[in-house]
Amino acid sequence: QVQVVQSGAEVRKPGASVKISCKASGYTFSNYLFHWVRQAHGQGPEWLGFIDPSGGSTVYAEKFQGRLTLTRDTSTSTVYMELSYLSPDDTANYFCARARSSGWDSLLAYWGQGSLVTVSS
Amino acid sequence: EIVVTQSPATLSVSPGERATLSCRTSQNIDRNVAWYQQKPGQAPRLLTYAAATRPPGVPARFRGGGSGTEFTLTITSLQSEDFAVYYCQQYNNWPLHSFGQGTKVEIK
Repeated sequence: QVQVVQSGAEVRKPGASVKISCKASGYTFSNYLFHWVRQAHGQGPEWLGFIDPSGGSTVYAEKFQGRLTLTRDTSTSTVYMELSYLSPDDTANYFCARARSSGWDSLLAYWGQGSLVTVSS
Repeated sequence: EIVVTQSPATLSVSPGERATLSCRTSQNIDRNVAWYQQKPGQAPRLLTYAAATRPPGVPARFRGGGSGTEFTLTITSLQSEDFAVYYCQQYNNWPLHSFGQGTKVEIK
């Protein structure tokens, strides 16, 4: 069965960067997009971007362009999200989520457990 | 940017009753809307997409509907495990998509 496991919680100071991993199993890794979504406490989800594991192409939400980098390692079926120039407003739970179907799909069917990122001086 | 507005913010319902949640978008998005359920400490779970299609394993009591700019999620007979926060997602303007702020369904 499909499983998605994320790395643990992180604490960073303002101006620093954070990199979160997301390991997939139970299916052919290259066939499905991976999206990243964050959720601040008590707020709705906010989409950050996605990566196509087959070729590594990415699309980022305009708000995060220039400080968001999504990468993947096909040898370990792992995708990574790195967010730089952190501010306290970036404090949130960060989720990776696999698309429901192969192809260009925005529906998020298989989610990681979330990685809490806290930005504080 | 398409804005997604959900109402009400909180819905108080007794077990066994029907709950109807609303989602409005700022532009016509045809039927490109999905609903997610989120319980405390968990990731969201996909409930419906294409306005009314349920993925395998989602109970039939969850019914999505609507088109254009007005959408609903109806839970026909609330079970104890259905008390949660529900989010609406529009995915009409690929690759961009956006979520609403959620409706919390609580026990009356």
